[in-house]
Amino acid sequence: ILNVEQSPQSLHVQEGDSTNFTCSFPSSNFYALHWYRWETAKSPEALFVMTLNGDEKKKGRISATLNTKEGYSYLYIKGSQPEDSATYLCAFSGAAGNKLTFGGGTRVLVKP
Amino acid sequence: DTAVSQTPKYLVTQMGNDKSIKCEQNLGHDTMYWYKQDSKKFLKIMFSYNNKELIINETVPNRFSPKSPDKAHLNLHINSLELGDSAVYFCASSQAAGIGTEAFFGQGTRLTVV
Repeated sequence: ILNVEQSPQSLHVQEGDSTNFTCSFPSSNFYALHWYRWETAKSPEALFVMTLNGDEKKKGRISATLNTKEGYSYLYIKGSQPEDSATYLCAFSGAAGNKLTFGGGTRVLVKP
Repeated sequence: DTAVSQTPKYLVTQMGNDKSIKCEQNLGHDTMYWYKQDSKKFLKIMFSYNNKELIINETVPNRFSPKSPDKAHLNLHINSLELGDSAVYFCASSQAAGIGTEAFFGQGTRLTVV
């Protein structure tokens, strides 16, 4: 059984503040780590797909880092805006590379 | 144009019935998936197909049977529906089975068994 864990489960952020949260995953047989943004009543949308240890990816005010040796990834939101409110999911793909195992998500609420 | 579309969006049915959920992707992807959002809101893989061939079948009751008539479609048939089957089911697709590329999700089908 693969354990993909995200923490915290939820967090409240004041508009303009920066925040970050964690995804931990098995460090063996790593293939890829995905981050998705999931707004209520919509479908998950991919933010990043990361495959190399030390990878850093950025999209606007959102960025992510990857440490495959210790099995964690951070997602950062800089200068949070209300439209950043969503659940952020990470998903791990092992060496078989055939499926994504999702974490439980971090629910972010940005307060104006 | 919707990349991954599922129908219906909502499905309410009685216990014991047989129902299908359809999924189509127009992205030219080789791989399609069915995920179930469980009671704790986790997304759990059910099935994965690559070029119409089943490559993943998680521990799912055999009342659930996926069918892929071509690589753009992956339908989910459910026989003898039970109350516990109530959930949101998501279809997804990706370019290749080795999932180093992002997955694109449908909007979900909320199944309610009464």
